[in-house]
Amino acid sequence: DAGITQSPRYKITETGRQVTLMCHQTWSHSYMFWYRQDLGHGLRLIYYSAAADITDKGEVPDGYVVSRSKTENFPLTLESATRSQTSVYFCASNKDSYGYTFGSGTRLTVV
Amino acid sequence: QKEVEQDPGPLSVPEGAIVSLNCTYSNSAFQYFMWYRQYSRKGPELLMYTYSSGNKEDGRFTAQVDKSSKYISLFIRDSQPSDSATYLCAMKGTGNQFYFGTGTSLTVIP
Repeated sequence: DAGITQSPRYKITETGRQVTLMCHQTWSHSYMFWYRQDLGHGLRLIYYSAAADITDKGEVPDGYVVSRSKTENFPLTLESATRSQTSVYFCASNKDSYGYTFGSGTRLTVV
Repeated sequence: QKEVEQDPGPLSVPEGAIVSLNCTYSNSAFQYFMWYRQYSRKGPELLMYTYSSGNKEDGRFTAQVDKSSKYISLFIRDSQPSDSATYLCAMKGTGNQFYFGTGTSLTVIP
């Protein structure tokens, strides 16, 4: 099905572990984004990508790594998870100025 | 100061009421304005978008943008229980990054 899919939907990991959140889109949109959503902070941009092999930092990039070797995939890696990274993570893509399409989110808990 | 300010609510209204949701912003370069609806444990979905100032209507929803006041609004007429969700405003200038409000939680009581 066309769309943007995130996996896993739920993840529990331990402090210090590396974890990768996956994002896949089927539209071939140029731009892809990773946001985290926390109570009181709303959606905050972590990283974004304008095209394959082009990535840039957003508002809260520390502790995260991204890559984009293919247009359709944009994985987000937490190199050494901390409790402060417990959050809901949303991937999004867009092709024009009229808004993003978001995935369903990954709910990550770091214990 | 945040780029976009939005009252988090929560807002609780009876079914059939008119709902007014608002955001203010500080960056005069913003030209594209959107409203997203987010149901519990779901991703935000685009509800309405407006370019520059003016009004836009779509069924029971009306989006207003007043660039002179740096103020945008979303009105919901004849509100329904299915409208219960969190509403996020978003906006951007000429770049590709959108700036989001923190969201307003709305409950429509049958």
